[in-house]
Amino acid sequence: QLVLTQSPSASASLGASVKLTCTLSSGHSTYDIAWHQQQPEKGPRYLMKVNNDGSHSKGDGIPDRFSGSSSGAERYLTISSLQSEDEAEYYCQTWATGIRVFGGGTKLTVL
Amino acid sequence: QVQLRESGPGLVKPSQTLSLTCTVSGGSISSDGYYWSWIRQPAGKGLEWIGRIYSSGSTNYNPSLQSRVTIGVDTSKNQFSLNLSSVTVADTAVYYCARDRADSSARGFDYWGQGTLVTVSS
Repeated sequence: QLVLTQSPSASASLGASVKLTCTLSSGHSTYDIAWHQQQPEKGPRYLMKVNNDGSHSKGDGIPDRFSGSSSGAERYLTISSLQSEDEAEYYCQTWATGIRVFGGGTKLTVL
Repeated sequence: QVQLRESGPGLVKPSQTLSLTCTVSGGSISSDGYYWSWIRQPAGKGLEWIGRIYSSGSTNYNPSLQSRVTIGVDTSKNQFSLNLSSVTVADTAVYYCARDRADSSARGFDYWGQGTLVTVSS
């Protein structure tokens, strides 16, 4: 079964960097994923696609502070120079033929 | 810039059918390779994909909801719709529509609507 696992919470200081992790289930380690950001009381916003080979392609208007990478079954979202508006829920998402799956989300707190 | 906007009743009675419409602007719903999805989010919880449709009418549904879901498309109005039958309080959520792509070129849901809250209550 295709499942994405995320830590429920993460925190980092203003101006620092943070790396969020999304883990693909066994047998699905080569899948590409996407990252979405959901700020409080807002709808989700597309950030980027992260490919199995570690490359990534960002959505329109996404700052350079956001980047993606990959290692084995793990897909990462790195946010550098953290700003207060980066405090949000971050969801990873993937796909197989005719199906779409979300991870449970990571709530990022900017200290 | 593609924009999506959900519309429909904010309150539905238990056992009835929830019906929503998503209007797409800034692009054609019939554009090659694009699918159009519904996603929901109960208060304080994560995102759940409901299903999607292509302009031809081809659909895919989340197996957990498949027996109650129907997604339709009206290309003349650049709209697609969601019907969820036999609703219960567990279907209370913010419902989003979003743009997707064909499996072979998928990159995630790259445009989202702002969402609409649907409450199931008598």
